[in-house]
Order: sequence, then structure tokens, then C-alpha cells
Amino acid sequence: DGGITQSPKYLFRKEGQNVTLSCEQNLNHDAMYWYRQDPGQGLRLIYYSQIVNDFQKGDIAEGYSVSREKKESFPLTVTSAQKNPTAFYLCASRRDQRSNQPQHFGDGTRLSIL
Amino acid sequence: EDQVTQSPEALRLQEGESSSLNCSYTVSGLRGLFWYRQDPGKGPEFLFTLYSAGEEKEKERLKATLTKKESFLHITAPKPEDSATYLCAVHVAQGGSEKLVFGKGTKLTVNP
Repeated sequence: DGGITQSPKYLFRKEGQNVTLSCEQNLNHDAMYWYRQDPGQGLRLIYYSQIVNDFQKGDIAEGYSVSREKKESFPLTVTSAQKNPTAFYLCASRRDQRSNQPQHFGDGTRLSIL
Repeated sequence: EDQVTQSPEALRLQEGESSSLNCSYTVSGLRGLFWYRQDPGKGPEFLFTLYSAGEEKEKERLKATLTKKESFLHITAPKPEDSATYLCAVHVAQGGSEKLVFGKGTKLTVNP
């Protein structure tokens, strides 16, 4: 089945630690996205990538970093500079950035502070 | 500033009691509007895309409509399994790039 796989489902971060969230898709989509979801707020865009080896900051990129070395993979690192990392993180993909096709989402990673 | 507002924030219905959810938007360069369903602890699941005013889409008990300023998600004779948070997102063109702007969602509870 084609889809988006996020792992792990739950993740705990210690003070001063960087953690990496995995996102893999087998939909052959060019564009991939990372969102953060907090209670009572809409999804907010962290980073997006239109094509391999290219990515752009979204609305709340501070304290996060990404890479796009393969078409199917778009990992997100939450660095120690992100002071409020507790949230539900969602990865999405779309056929390409310019199309008007919907984004499809993975089932998220819930990050908490130890 | 692009803005998407969903109302109500929460809605409780009895099984079979039809109602509507609202998504109003003030954006420039609208390229489309999307409705998603999100269950607790899961990612949003795509429901509908609407591209132009007057357009309607249907799927089982759900029907989405679009005007120039808002969209409605009509739920006819809902069942308990329709309980979820429904998200609206608008696709906008902004300074050479494009993005989705999400509303905060409407949490729907359908009681048996």
C-alpha cells in the first residue's frame, strides 16, 4: 500500500538533546512537508521541500532542521534550541509543490519533554 | 494576512441530527480549499477539494460547498463513527511560493 510512514509514534527528549523524527513516503511525490500541531491551534508549517536536495523554511522553522537526500525521505531534527518542542508532529507529501492536489499525511509523532 | 476561521469549535449532535460546519477565509490568491477529517492520535485524512465558488462535492453523509468567502461541510443523518475533528485548509499563492493555511478545526461528537 502507498502511504507515508512516520516513526517513532512517541518520542521523549531530554534537556539539551537533539532528536530526529523520521518520515518516509512511497507515493513517488516530489513535495514533502513538516507541520506542528498544538492543542487549539491550526497546523503550522515548519519546513517544506519541493525536490531532492532542496528545502525552505516555513512559518516556524527556528529550532528545527531538515534534510532531503532522497526523494522518499524527509527527516526532521528538533534541536536543543527549540525551547518548547512538546507537540504532535505531522509529515505530509504532495505530487509536486505547484499542483493543486491535496497533501496526504502520515499518522504523526508525539514528542514530549522528559 | 491570510486567515481561516472554523466554527463552531465543538459540536455535539444526536445520531441522525443533521448540521453544518463552517469555514470562512480571507486570503489572497486562493487556489483551492480542502477538507480533512482527523481522528485522535492520527494524521488528517483527505476528504474533499473545492476549487471555485458554486462547486459541491459529496461522499456518503458528507457534502462540501464553496462560496467566495466560505465553505460548509454538511453532515446528513450523522452516525457515531462520524465523530472526529474536521479541518479546513486553503491553498494560497504567496510571494512566488504556495502554502496551505489551516483552520483550528471543529470537533464533532455524535452521540448514539
